[in-house]
Amino acid sequence: EDQVTQSPEALRLQEGESSSLNCSYTVSGLRGLFWYRQDPGKGPEFLFTLYSAGEEKEKERLKATLTKKESFLHITAPKPEDSATYLCAVLLPQKLVFGQGTRLTINP
Amino acid sequence: NAGVTQTPKFRVLKTGQSMTLLCAQDMNHEYMYWYRQDPGMGLRLIHYSVGEGTTAKGEVPDGYNVSRLKKQNFLLGLESAAPSQTSVYFCASRLLGGGSNQPQHFGDGTRLSIL
Repeated sequence: EDQVTQSPEALRLQEGESSSLNCSYTVSGLRGLFWYRQDPGKGPEFLFTLYSAGEEKEKERLKATLTKKESFLHITAPKPEDSATYLCAVLLPQKLVFGQGTRLTINP
Repeated sequence: NAGVTQTPKFRVLKTGQSMTLLCAQDMNHEYMYWYRQDPGMGLRLIHYSVGEGTTAKGEVPDGYNVSRLKKQNFLLGLESAAPSQTSVYFCASRLLGGGSNQPQHFGDGTRLSIL
C-alpha cells in the first residue's frame, strides 16, 4: 500500500532557529513530490515540485530536497510568519497521496 | 485573482439532509478535484473530473455525487448527510498541459458539520 508519512507531527521553534521537516514514502512509481503550505482556515498553497533524487528547490527561507525514500523541507532562520502546516504529496501514476502534515510554530 | 472559490464557507446540517457544495475556478483548468480533510489524516480524494461532462471516483466516494456541467464549475452533493461526513472539504484544479506534475491549486474550503 502506498504510504506517505510526515514527521514530526508538530514542531515549535524560536525565531531564527533552523530545522527540517521530513516526508518519507513507500510507494511504487514516484513521478514527483509536492510541498504545500496551509494556514489555519485556508487551503493548501503550492510551494515546490521535486521530480528526481538529488533535486533541490529554494524559496526565501525554505529549501526542499528529495532522495529516493524521503524529502526534507529545510527552514533557515525562520520568522513567526513561517508558522503554518506544511504538507507533502507524492505524485503516482494514477493519484496524488498526501501526508498528514507537520504543524510548525515559530515563537518570536 | 480569484483562483478557486468555494461556497459556502461554513454549513451545519442535520443527519439526512442534503446539500450541494459549489466550486468555481477562473483559471481555465481542465482538471478539478474534491477532497476531504480530517484531523490527523492527509487530504483524501472524493471525486475528480478531467473535463466538462466527465467525472470519476476517488479514494472515498461513498455518500457523495458530483457533476461538471461547465468547465469552470464542479459541484459536490451529499444526498443524505451522515455525521461521518463532518469534515473540511477542499476543491482543487490544475492544468491539463504539462503532464500530471502540474500542481493543484486549492480553494479555502467548506467547513461542514453534520449533527
